[in-house]
Amino acid sequence: GQNIDQPTEMTATEGAIVQINCTYQTSGFNGLFWYQQHAGEAPTFLSYNVLDGLEEKGRFSSFLSRSKGYSYLLLKELQMKDSASYLCAVRDGDYKLSFGAGTTVTVRA
Amino acid sequence: DAMVIQNPRYQVTQFGKPVTLSCSQTLNHNVMYWYQQKSSQAPKLLFHYYDKDFNNEADTPDNFQSRRPNTSFCFLDIRSPGLGDAAMYLCATSRDVGGGETQYFGPGTRLLVL
Repeated sequence: GQNIDQPTEMTATEGAIVQINCTYQTSGFNGLFWYQQHAGEAPTFLSYNVLDGLEEKGRFSSFLSRSKGYSYLLLKELQMKDSASYLCAVRDGDYKLSFGAGTTVTVRA
Repeated sequence: DAMVIQNPRYQVTQFGKPVTLSCSQTLNHNVMYWYQQKSSQAPKLLFHYYDKDFNNEADTPDNFQSRRPNTSFCFLDIRSPGLGDAAMYLCATSRDVGGGETQYFGPGTRLLVL
């Protein structure tokens, strides 16, 4: 089966940087996605990595190392609205996304 | 705005009483998915349609069925809901499968079973 691990909770201060790690063990690999999910709402797409390296998109960056089965999502200049759950998801074939349980980030003033 | 719409946002049903959840999309995407997400857990794929082709996940209970009458609409039918079926049900779409195809989610329907 698929195994995707990420920390359950993280807390940081407004304006700070937080790094959310994700490790995975899957039968195949066809890309890794990060989604943001506010409480009671649908996940929204943040980033996609399929090759090793860093993808930067404004305040958010995502890194992938396929050999290590490892990714991280970096959130810079944290804002209160960034308080949410962040889901790591791996596509192991053509369509199926296997999600981690999510990391709840709380941003404090 | 193109989007994925789910109605209702909250659904209450009785134990054993069939219930149908609805999803529609204006994205004209080929693929539609249904996920179940229980509190503080990861979304779990139940099944997906690629156009009219239905694909069931191996561990999806028989109690869950789906219909896709046309490109825009997809329904999730729960034939005899149990207390363990209380969850958020998320509909998602993607233009195609493979590669970097992103899945776009609707707001979800939260199901309560009494």
